[in-house]
Amino acid sequence: IAGITQAPTSQILAAGRRMTLRCTQDMRHNAMYWYRQDLGLGLRLIHYSNTAGTTGKGEVPDGYSVSRANTDDFPLTLASAVPSQTSVYFCASSRLAASPDTQYFGPGTRLTVL
Amino acid sequence: GQNIDQPTEMTATEGAIVQINCTYQTSGFNGLFWYQQHAGEAPTFLSYNVLDGLEEKGRFSSFLSRSKGYSYLLLKELQMKDSASYLCAAMDSNYQLIWGAGTKLIIKP
Repeated sequence: IAGITQAPTSQILAAGRRMTLRCTQDMRHNAMYWYRQDLGLGLRLIHYSNTAGTTGKGEVPDGYSVSRANTDDFPLTLASAVPSQTSVYFCASSRLAASPDTQYFGPGTRLTVL
Repeated sequence: GQNIDQPTEMTATEGAIVQINCTYQTSGFNGLFWYQQHAGEAPTFLSYNVLDGLEEKGRFSSFLSRSKGYSYLLLKELQMKDSASYLCAAMDSNYQLIWGAGTKLIIKP
């Protein structure tokens, strides 16, 4: 089934640990995005990539890094997790970059940092 | 600054009509999106408006007024499965989506 997959579904992590959230899409979309969603706040963009080999910073990039080695994969890494990074993380993709194209979302990763 | 405002929660009755309002303020504007998000699930696309006016898509319609920085989502013939959060998002001049916190819609029988 075409779409976006994320792993893990949920994770409890000790503060200070390194963690990589995985995201893979099979729609050959050019653009990919990482958002976090916190209660009472709108989705906030962490990082994005308009095409393989390029990445950009969103609204809340501090403490996170990304890479885009190929079209399909867009992992998000927390180098040293802190409790304020407890959130639900959504990966999304769109066929076109830098355009008003629909974004399609993965099922999310629920991360708890203790 | 950039800002999206929408009500936190609304309640409506099965079979009725409900209108969810959204006001936006962004640096540049490349359109207004509405997404639906059921509890514990991913947001899914509902509609996109870039020109003034009403776009109808089955039971759901979306309206945009660019001069007023205002949009609404209209849901008709409400069904229990419409209980969800509805997210308003405006696309700014950098083609980044600025999201509202969402409106939780509760449908009562």
